[in-house]
Amino acid sequence: QVQLVESGGGLVKPGGSLRLSCEASGFSFSDYYMIWFRQVPGKGLESISYISGSGSDTNYADSVKGRFTISRDNTRNSLYLQMSSLKVEDTAVYYCARSARVPKLGGQGTLVTVSS
Amino acid sequence: DVVMTQSPLSLPVTLGQPASISCRSSQSLVYSDGNIYLNWFQQRPGQSPRRLIYKVSDRDSGVPDRFSGSGSGTDFTLKISRVEAEDVGVYYCMQATHWPWTFGVGTKVEIQ
Repeated sequence: QVQLVESGGGLVKPGGSLRLSCEASGFSFSDYYMIWFRQVPGKGLESISYISGSGSDTNYADSVKGRFTISRDNTRNSLYLQMSSLKVEDTAVYYCARSARVPKLGGQGTLVTVSS
Repeated sequence: DVVMTQSPLSLPVTLGQPASISCRSSQSLVYSDGNIYLNWFQQRPGQSPRRLIYKVSDRDSGVPDRFSGSGSGTDFTLKISRVEAEDVGVYYCMQATHWPWTFGVGTKVEIQ
């Protein structure tokens, strides 16, 4: 069973930084692309970044390109999202998912609030 | 970006009756490998999204067989054969053929 536990969210001021983590279990982590989504509370969903199993292939949505960096540590079965130059509009619940094209979510997400 | 247009946005249904949600993409979702990466998610109130259907019509394990997906090219449909109380929530279609993956705005299913 795919289990994903997101953490690292919190309250941060505009321009600040935050690092999100996603700990995976229940599958062979290194075999899968992983992806981050976000959802503004009460609103729809947005895909923001994915990474290949080896880490060599990454991609970003234009809204976060140059500010966010996705990475992974296959020895720790963990996915990360380093967020910098945060904006008020980055406020959302962030979810990680297994697989890029057929994403399977498995966690409760972590809330990031960007506010002064 | 590919625009995913869902309809209706609100769907009041009677328990035991069928329901249908439409999703149209602004361009073909056929990927170079021949697959169509159209997924459906359910988000119950207060919960995280849960994938129901992937690649148009493949149902996830544990998803009741009253849920089915169909479609091709740019037109897709999620059907619930007989709505149950636990089906209340928002349903999203999502394409994962063209980056960035994009979602429909969601269809709110409620019991009338």
